Amino acid sequence: DTGVSQDPRHKITKRGQNVTFRCDPISEHNRLYWYRQTLGQGPEFLTYFQNEAQLEKSRLLSDRFSAERPKGSFSTLEIQRTEQGDSAMYLCASSSLTGNYGYTFGSGTRLTVV
Amino acid sequence: ILNVEQSPQSLHVQEGDSTNFTCSFPSSNFYALHWYRWETAKSPEALFVMTLNGDEKKKGRISATLNTKEGYSYLYIKGSQPEDSATYLCALLNSGYSTLTFGKGTMLLVSP
Repeated sequence: DTGVSQDPRHKITKRGQNVTFRCDPISEHNRLYWYRQTLGQGPEFLTYFQNEAQLEKSRLLSDRFSAERPKGSFSTLEIQRTEQGDSAMYLCASSSLTGNYGYTFGSGTRLTVV
Repeated sequence: ILNVEQSPQSLHVQEGDSTNFTCSFPSSNFYALHWYRWETAKSPEALFVMTLNGDEKKKGRISATLNTKEGYSYLYIKGSQPEDSATYLCALLNSGYSTLTFGKGTMLLVSP
């Protein structure tokens, strides 16, 4: 297992377009998280899954955002009708249900909306 | 909303200097405190997970302490090296939540 991978690493899109990001977690990890980080801020929670169930969504997650984790494996995060304020680093992490819930992060997807 | 605060926001030291950062958090319903190091263009990397009041953990030149009663944790770097340059994040796991709440981080730059 090579850790958590995210694709793409970078995405530049025009305002109004839809984008989709993918995250492949560590295979033994039940939980998968999406966070967003903007300049000068720490990672902000967006949503998380336990297996295929989406258990929590942040108020930050507007109706334009949707996330899925079919079959409890990889996850996708889609942003519809992108806005300039969506420009950020989108981080995915996974963890197991046992122990201290330590996260293993991916390298992130840097989104720039122009 | 949990408030996790880190100070300073940024720090610039010379190689060989020792340095420390602070993470403050609400002490009620504490479960665990995590420290991560995030180097540019890489994934955030776990440093420590601390759960007990008075915990002290060490990894090479980096160590951390935890005070859950007063709600703070210190991260120390002894003899900083340029490769220590990164953003150091702390994150709180509170028993009322299922996910980590991160501070804004401390950005450390170590000059040779």
